[in-house]
Amino acid sequence: AQSVTQLGSHVSVSEGALVLLRCNYSSSVPPYLFWYVQYPNQGLQLLLKYTTGATLVKGINGFEAEFKKSETSFHLTKPSAHMSDAAEYFCAVTPTGTASKLTFGTGTRLQVTL
Amino acid sequence: DAGITQSPRHKVTETGTPVTLRCHQTENHRYMYWYRQDPGHGLRLIHYSYGVKDTDKGEVSDGYSVSRSKTEDFLLTLESATSSQTSVYFCAISESRGNYEQYFGPGTRLTVT
Repeated sequence: AQSVTQLGSHVSVSEGALVLLRCNYSSSVPPYLFWYVQYPNQGLQLLLKYTTGATLVKGINGFEAEFKKSETSFHLTKPSAHMSDAAEYFCAVTPTGTASKLTFGTGTRLQVTL
Repeated sequence: DAGITQSPRHKVTETGTPVTLRCHQTENHRYMYWYRQDPGHGLRLIHYSYGVKDTDKGEVSDGYSVSRSKTEDFLLTLESATSSQTSVYFCAISESRGNYEQYFGPGTRLTVT
């Protein structure tokens, strides 16, 4: 079975500051990893994903994440926060070779202040 | 945006009544999913479908049933709604077993009083 832990249910950063949202996973087989973003009263939108290949993946809106197998981590970063980044972010994992059932973390709400 | 609609978008119902939520897609994707979202729990899978008439349980399936008679429609039924089923319900679709990316609908907010 797989699981996802997102450290910090709420993160607050100043506009222009680095955004770092943490995600650690547990999986008995090589995982596929995802970050989704949810704006208020909307569904989830895919930010980026890691399947195979390059471990540093770039997504939309300037976000990127690095898959570190040795640390079982997939942290999300953005060099400079913008007010429009305020949202809830979910990390998700699915094991390769199985049906595509995602296991989600509990989410991190990002607040961006002036 | 992927063509996914959910209906109704909001519903208030009383304990003990049956409720059916509908997910409709125009993408012809094979896989469809129902999740519920609750504070502190993220999204949890209720049921999913891997083809017409082919469905399976997720981690929180008790009290829910599903049906898929056409590729484009996936119905979630609460046979007898309880207050613990007050939640936001999301439908998602994905293209194939080899493509794990899921696209989400706008959600249905269900309140059981």
